[in-house]
Amino acid sequence: EAQVTQNPRYLITVTGKKLTVTCSQNMNHEYMSWYRQDPGLGLRQIYYSMNVEVTDKGDVPEGYKVSRKEKRNFPLILESPSPNQTSLYFCASSSSSYNEQFFGPGTRLTVL
Amino acid sequence: TQLLEQSPQFLSIQEGENLTVYCNSSSVFSSLQWYRQEPGEGPVLLVTVVTGGEVKKLKRLTFQFGDARKDSSLHITAAQPGDTGLYLCAGGSSNTGKLIFGQGTTLQVKP
Repeated sequence: EAQVTQNPRYLITVTGKKLTVTCSQNMNHEYMSWYRQDPGLGLRQIYYSMNVEVTDKGDVPEGYKVSRKEKRNFPLILESPSPNQTSLYFCASSSSSYNEQFFGPGTRLTVL
Repeated sequence: TQLLEQSPQFLSIQEGENLTVYCNSSSVFSSLQWYRQEPGEGPVLLVTVVTGGEVKKLKRLTFQFGDARKDSSLHITAAQPGDTGLYLCAGGSSNTGKLIFGQGTTLQVKP
C-alpha cells in the first residue's frame, strides 16, 4: 500500500530536549516536505527536499532542521524545542513540488 | 507573494443543505487541488482541476476552476454528516514550483 508514515503520532516533551520526528514514504517520490498546521494559520511549510541531499527552507524554518540521506526518509529535527513549536506536524511526499501531495497521518507535538 | 484566500473559514449546516466554498487569488495557477482532512488524519486529495472553466464532479461534490485560473469553488449538494471535515484548496504553479494552501474551511454537517 502506498503510504507516508510518521513516528511518533503523539509526543509531549519539555523545552530544550532534542527530538526527531521520522517520516518515510514507499512511493519512490523525489519531493518531500514538512508542514505545521495551527488553528487559523492553515498549513505552513517548514522545509522541503527536491531529492537526496537537497533540502531548502520553507516559510517557517526557524528552530527546525532536516536531512535527506535516503530517498524514502526525511526526518524533522528540533534541536531545542520551545513551547511555540507546539503544533500538528505533517510530512508529505510527491512526484513534484506543485502536484498532488501525499500526507502522513500527522504528529501532534506538545512542548511544555 | 502568492496568496490563496479561502472562505468561509467555518460552516455549520443541517443535513440536506447545499453549500459552496470559495478559493480566490490574484495569481494564476497551473492547477487547483482540493483536499479533505478528517480529525486525526492527514489531508487527502479529492480532485485536481487544470483547465480554465473546468468542472469536475465527485458524487455530490462539484469543483470548478475559474476561467482565468485564479479561483475555484467547491459545491456540495445535500450535505451529509459524513461530509464533516476540513476542506483545503491548494494552488500549484509550474512556473514557481510552489504549492500554496488556503487556510481551510471547517465544515460541520449536523444530522
